[in-house]
Amino acid sequence: DSGVTQTPKHLITATGQRVTLRCSPRSGDLSVYWYQQSLDQGLQFLIQYYNGEERAKGNILERFSAQQFPDLHSELNLSSLELGDSALYFCASSASSGPYNSPLHFGNGTRLTVT
Amino acid sequence: ELKVEQNPLFLSMQEGKNYTIYCNYSTTSDRLYWYRQDPGKSLESLFVLLSNGAVKQEGRLMASLDTKARLSTLHITAAVHDLSATYFCAVDRDSNYQLIWGAGTKLIIKP
Repeated sequence: DSGVTQTPKHLITATGQRVTLRCSPRSGDLSVYWYQQSLDQGLQFLIQYYNGEERAKGNILERFSAQQFPDLHSELNLSSLELGDSALYFCASSASSGPYNSPLHFGNGTRLTVT
Repeated sequence: ELKVEQNPLFLSMQEGKNYTIYCNYSTTSDRLYWYRQDPGKSLESLFVLLSNGAVKQEGRLMASLDTKARLSTLHITAAVHDLSATYFCAVDRDSNYQLIWGAGTKLIIKP
């Protein structure tokens, strides 16, 4: 158990809808990262927050947004959903603002299916 | 642009055999990470390699890093079925925590 909690585990929704994915990092970790994993694109970094502030941005669509709250949990909001957004979304956390000497700790992911 | 290439992408092998997974990357980086993912599951950190010549071992897995060759290897010794999984390498781009990931090597070990 990595200590990173993601909810929900599964989400099925229709095109055009909006969903929110939630992540609680490991106790003591200040950084939260969001990743998208799909069969055709592999593992793609979306965005990182460190202690409530956006730290780095990857291949995140404008339809997607995220935030990290004062209690350090994070939410990833996906709107105007398309079929191609169907994927496994992972949250990861770390103690520092960068990878440096320690690995990321991943949650179990949220599987999003857009129909 | 930093690219990370793994090969092979798929490997089927018998228990008891040895094999090596290769991870090449295109630009300078001193930090390389190996992760394991079981089907439909999360990613588990295996090794963090932080300098040229770094070698780490855990059980039947051994990872090494050659930053001059921009190459890391993950060696499997006397494979067992429980090692069946997809193995990913990832490289740190510009110390910005934007890890760039390889496509993964799906390893199937037949009993």
